[in-house]
Amino acid sequence: GDSVTQMEGPVTLSEEAFLTINCTYTATGYPSLFWYVQYPGEGLQLLLKATKADDKGSNKGFEATYRKETTSFHLEKGSVQVSDSAVYFCALLRAGNTPLVFGKGTRLSVIA
Amino acid sequence: DSGVTQTPKHLITATGQRVTLRCSPRSGDLSVYWYQQSLDQGLQFLIQYYNGEERAKGNILERFSAQQFPDLHSELNLSSLELGDSALYFCASSVSSGNIQYFGAGTRLSVL
Repeated sequence: GDSVTQMEGPVTLSEEAFLTINCTYTATGYPSLFWYVQYPGEGLQLLLKATKADDKGSNKGFEATYRKETTSFHLEKGSVQVSDSAVYFCALLRAGNTPLVFGKGTRLSVIA
Repeated sequence: DSGVTQTPKHLITATGQRVTLRCSPRSGDLSVYWYQQSLDQGLQFLIQYYNGEERAKGNILERFSAQQFPDLHSELNLSSLELGDSALYFCASSVSSGNIQYFGAGTRLSVL
């Protein structure tokens, strides 16, 4: 079945450091890929998405590129801030009546 | 604000009891999804409704049931509660299957 594998956290970075959170997927067909973010005490917010190979999703300085050849969708940010501290979830969605399939989440802590 | 409203925010109850969680989707969204987030299982899909009809079922226990009403709001009923049912329950909505899902802030259920 479909699955998403994320790097395990927690990840602790200093402010202004470069962030990479790895995400790989297994799915039939060509799923859409997402990154969701969950700030402390809140629900999941859509951070960015990509719907086909080589698409790059971007938002709030975060980027991820849909790489079909490596079945990956790694999240990157050039310079993290304390306010980026949250749990990040990679997810995939196939067409039709299928639910989102989530990775286990990666907790990011950014220290000043 | 995602536009998806979940009530209540917190629920504390005892084992063996029954509770109802409520979700109002974003205006115009016909699909509603329920997910359970627990520390050991991560984010698990429970069930999906589309315009009042059940469309997909995930890892939903027989003690749990859901429905979507004509005004498109949905309720998740959890009965014969056990300690292990303590979790965050999220509702998400989308225009239709296969589209971006927007999440509510969740209901935190504590079974004592």
